[in-house]
Amino acid sequence: SAVISQKPSRDICQRGTSLTIQCQVDSQVTMMFWYRQQPGQSLTLIATANQGSEATYESGFVIDKFPISRPNLTFSTLTVSNMSPEDSSIYLCSGSSELQFFGPGTRLTVL
Amino acid sequence: KQEVTQIPAALSVPEGENLVLNCSFTDSAIYNLQWFRQDPGKGLTSLLLIQSSQREQTSGRLNASLDKSSGRSTLYIAASQPGDSATYLCAVGLIKAAGNKLTFGGGTRVLVKP
Repeated sequence: SAVISQKPSRDICQRGTSLTIQCQVDSQVTMMFWYRQQPGQSLTLIATANQGSEATYESGFVIDKFPISRPNLTFSTLTVSNMSPEDSSIYLCSGSSELQFFGPGTRLTVL
Repeated sequence: KQEVTQIPAALSVPEGENLVLNCSFTDSAIYNLQWFRQDPGKGLTSLLLIQSSQREQTSGRLNASLDKSSGRSTLYIAASQPGDSATYLCAVGLIKAAGNKLTFGGGTRVLVKP
């Protein structure tokens, strides 16, 4: 099994600022994904992080708002840009070969 | 578009009772189905993975069944314990070409009372 860590674990940010979340996997995984979990809701896929190329975004999510990088097989970042209170959520990174493993999440509060 | 539904949304049982959690999905062209546990304020812990060719998987007190043709999976937890209290999420993996993207259900929040 893979162990996934995320930084920061939580943050409180001001409206209009940006936050970059880092995700590190302890072993190589085929796929990496970013999910959002809004308060009281289930997980929604934001995008697939592709190594060395642009991420593949799901409907309703765009690169300008959620730029993603994946420079190698074990590391990815998600930036939440120009934040508003509606972006307050838990952001989770996952890695997958067959089984999918999740990081502990980053709890973001936007004031 | 795949939709995943979990019923009930919440469940409260006395310790020792068996738990039955239901998950349904609209598109039977799945790659796999995974059950997760989420504790409050925490990330997700993978419990069981069922490939589309399988009918069930077992791990300790947990057993998950899959009926792909009817679009249903059931997670059974035998002899529940207070430590089983958590939210249980069902997630369906799309066809392999899509890189196993998961579509999640809304979850079932379980409380096991001592």
